[in-house]
Amino acid sequence: QVNLLQSGAALVKPGASVKLSCKASGYTFTDYYIHWVKQSHGKSLEWIGYINPNSGYTNYNEKFKSKATLTVDKSTNTAYMELSRLTSEDSATYYCTRPLMDSSYIYDVMDAWGQGASVTVSS
Amino acid sequence: DIVMTQSPSSLAVSAGETVTINCKSSQSLFGSVRQKNYLAWYQQKPGQSPKLLIYLASTRESGVPDRFIGSGSGTDFTLTISSVQAEDLANYYCQQYYDTPYTFGAGTKLELK
Repeated sequence: QVNLLQSGAALVKPGASVKLSCKASGYTFTDYYIHWVKQSHGKSLEWIGYINPNSGYTNYNEKFKSKATLTVDKSTNTAYMELSRLTSEDSATYYCTRPLMDSSYIYDVMDAWGQGASVTVSS
Repeated sequence: DIVMTQSPSSLAVSAGETVTINCKSSQSLFGSVRQKNYLAWYQQKPGQSPKLLIYLASTRESGVPDRFIGSGSGTDFTLTISSVQAEDLANYYCQQYYDTPYTFGAGTKLELK
């Protein structure tokens, strides 16, 4: 079955960067975009952007354009998100997700989710 | 950006009741090409990742019980949970995927009365 396995929790200092990983299995990695979603503690969800694993094409939420960088490694079926110049506002749980395919059409709804990676920014 | 406004923010219910959660978008989510509404609903239990319940405003994801019913069109949408069960106590979010950036509602917390 579809599985998205994310890297573990990270404690990072303000101003530093962190690179989160998301290893996909159970499907053809290049057939689906990977989306990333942020959830601050006790808050709602924010869409960060997506990457096309086949071409590397990315589409970012303007709010995260200077914060997040999405990449993939097709050889290992792994997607990455690097967050830079971290502040306390970046402390959150980050999810990688895969969209839904229905009748050969892919909808940008989050069908499969990773378990989430908690990032805490603190000195 | 399309703003998603959910109401109520919390709801206390007894098992067996029927509940309604509302979601309003700042612009129409109806796509004229495919004649569909690009609105989804998710359920998130404490400590878990969100789970997709409904997409295209009213299509239940595989395996979702039929007591979860999505309805609405254009800018006004509803998630109805009939005969609420204890396992339904969670946070619920609507999401528009009509246009990027995709946006979510603030959430509705379903609690036990």
